[in-house]
Amino acid sequence: AQSVTQLDSQVPVFEEAPVELRCNYSSSVSVYLFWYVQYPNQGLQLLLKYLSGSTLVKGINGFEAEFNKSQTSFHLRKPSVHISDTAEYFCAVSGNSGNTPLVFGKGTRLSVIA
Amino acid sequence: NAGVTQTPKFQVLKTGQSMTLQCAQDMNHEYMSWYRQDPGMGLRLIHYSVGAGITDQGEVPNGYNVSRSTTEDFPLRLLSAAPSQTSVYFCASKGRVNSPLHFGNGTRLTVT
Repeated sequence: AQSVTQLDSQVPVFEEAPVELRCNYSSSVSVYLFWYVQYPNQGLQLLLKYLSGSTLVKGINGFEAEFNKSQTSFHLRKPSVHISDTAEYFCAVSGNSGNTPLVFGKGTRLSVIA
Repeated sequence: NAGVTQTPKFQVLKTGQSMTLQCAQDMNHEYMSWYRQDPGMGLRLIHYSVGAGITDQGEVPNGYNVSRSTTEDFPLRLLSAAPSQTSVYFCASKGRVNSPLHFGNGTRLTVT
């Protein structure tokens, strides 16, 4: 089974500042990793995913994440945030064989301050 | 292309009532799942299905039933609603094993 820990429940940051949202996972098998974003009163949409290959993954809206197998981490970063990035961000993991369910972290609420 | 469609968007139930949350997808996805989202708890898996006729329990299955008679539909049944089932429910589907989940817009359920 897999599990995900998002280390910060809330992250306030000023507009145009960089941000890092931290995610650690636990798994006994190789994994796929995902970051999703949820804007207020909406469903979840995919930001980026790591399946294999390059450990630096680029996603939509200028976000990127780095897979670190030795530290079992998949931190999300953006060099300069905008007010419109205010949302809740979820890290998720699944095993990479068979159609195994996606396990989500508890989420990090990013608040961008003008 | 509608994607994943959930109905209703909002529902209020009294304790003990039953209801079915509907989920339909038009992407021919084999995998479908139900999550509930509660403040500070993230998304927790209720039930999932890897194909028609196959269902399995997730992390929080108690009080919920599912069936998968067609590829397109995956309804979630609350047999006897309880206040602890007040939540936002999301249905999600995916195609290939390494594909991301596609989410519906959610159903906000309140049980009084």
